[in-house]
Amino acid sequence: QSALTQPGSVSGSPGQSITISCTGTSSDVGGYKYVSWSQQHPGKAPKLMIYEVSNRPSGVSNRFSGSKSGNTASLTISGLQAEDEADYYCSSYTSSSTLIFGGGTKLTVL
Amino acid sequence: EVQLVQSGAEVKKPGESLRISCKGSGYSFTSYWITWVRQMPGKGLEWMGRIDPSDSYTNYGPSFQGRVTISADKSISTAYLQWSSLKASDTAIYYCARLIGAAAPDYWGQGTLVTVSS
Repeated sequence: QSALTQPGSVSGSPGQSITISCTGTSSDVGGYKYVSWSQQHPGKAPKLMIYEVSNRPSGVSNRFSGSKSGNTASLTISGLQAEDEADYYCSSYTSSSTLIFGGGTKLTVL
Repeated sequence: EVQLVQSGAEVKKPGESLRISCKGSGYSFTSYWITWVRQMPGKGLEWMGRIDPSDSYTNYGPSFQGRVTISADKSISTAYLQWSSLKASDTAIYYCARLIGAAAPDYWGQGTLVTVSS
């Protein structure tokens, strides 16, 4: 069971929008609505940003949005802010009743 | 307020056993699965397994099946992760998290650093 595929790094300037992709298979990302995105700042525990593909938990900025097409899910952050600089991980439910994470993407705000 | 509070850092020798804990509060502990996640130094998140505290049903990621045991004591709202024989490669931060909708970790513990060294 290989990790979901994410780009190793992305970058953007303040105010811009960026998108992070998360590619799996029909046995995970493509087969279920249970794709989540978590943010992790250095030395901190992860924080849930998006669940069930496109839902935001209470308190998460509406600058964060999620979508899915086929076997690829995406996280878009609009109006980039310095505080958005962090590692981002996607995760998905799988056909084996397990969960799987992506390898993580480091977001740099230039 | 929902909280997951994990036990403190551990330093162990190879071959030793260990159990770390995760205590939930501020919600109905038996209504949500608890999951465990490993983060090795400088690396990404890895899903280890999950438990339904209401009946202690568990399932594990393929890399962790047979290597660790996840359990829970619903009477004290606590989940556990244990090893019978640690290896140096088990050195990592271990997080517990509550799952919503069966698959989304919405609240996380603060992490427990486990160091295994001779």
